[in-house]
Amino acid sequence: DAGITQSPRHKVTETGTPVTLRCHQTENHRYMYWYRQDPGHGLRLIHYSYGVKDTDKGEVSDGYSVSRSKTEDFLLTLESATSSQTSVYFCAISPGVTEAFFGQGTRLTVV
Amino acid sequence: SQQGEEDPQALSIQEGENATMNCSYKTSINNLQWYRQNSGRGLVHLILIRSNEREKHSGRLRVTLDTSKKSSSLLITASRAADTASYFCATDEKGAQKLVFGQGTRLTINP
Repeated sequence: DAGITQSPRHKVTETGTPVTLRCHQTENHRYMYWYRQDPGHGLRLIHYSYGVKDTDKGEVSDGYSVSRSKTEDFLLTLESATSSQTSVYFCAISPGVTEAFFGQGTRLTVV
Repeated sequence: SQQGEEDPQALSIQEGENATMNCSYKTSINNLQWYRQNSGRGLVHLILIRSNEREKHSGRLRVTLDTSKKSSSLLITASRAADTASYFCATDEKGAQKLVFGQGTRLTINP
């Protein structure tokens, strides 16, 4: 799928534990995004990056942090997972703020 | 709150009929895009319309954009069972470097 890989694809974790999701691209695209998808809410933007070490918050950034130390990787970290962070997480990449290519998603369950 | 809001939230039609979905947004934009999501998978880009365009076609898809009303519509003509999916609009706000999605329309095509 357009050279974008999310890992892991599924994860179950306990409340209070840290969790890191990885998005890896082979397209050398400048923009990378993290979204979460929940029933009734569509896709909500968590954080995004417009270059190496350049990141910004989206609409639902509380409880999440990101890092982008190289073009190909964008990491999303839940510092202390809560049940409200149970969701499907999608990473997307784009060369500009134009057509975006999505990963297959990561299903995260916090118990 | 999310930038785009789709209407209706769900739509069910017979195969062969046309399907129309609407998207409203709140701020000035550079472009508006439509995506499709099949159940459980990542989103796939369908079409992009720029703020200075009023209508665009791609195969059986027709998109209109009315910037004065801050709204867009997606028309799928001669629907097929394979068109069953969720459809999302996404906007790129002027001055912002991010892509924001709406809540989506769930389209069901009945054979």
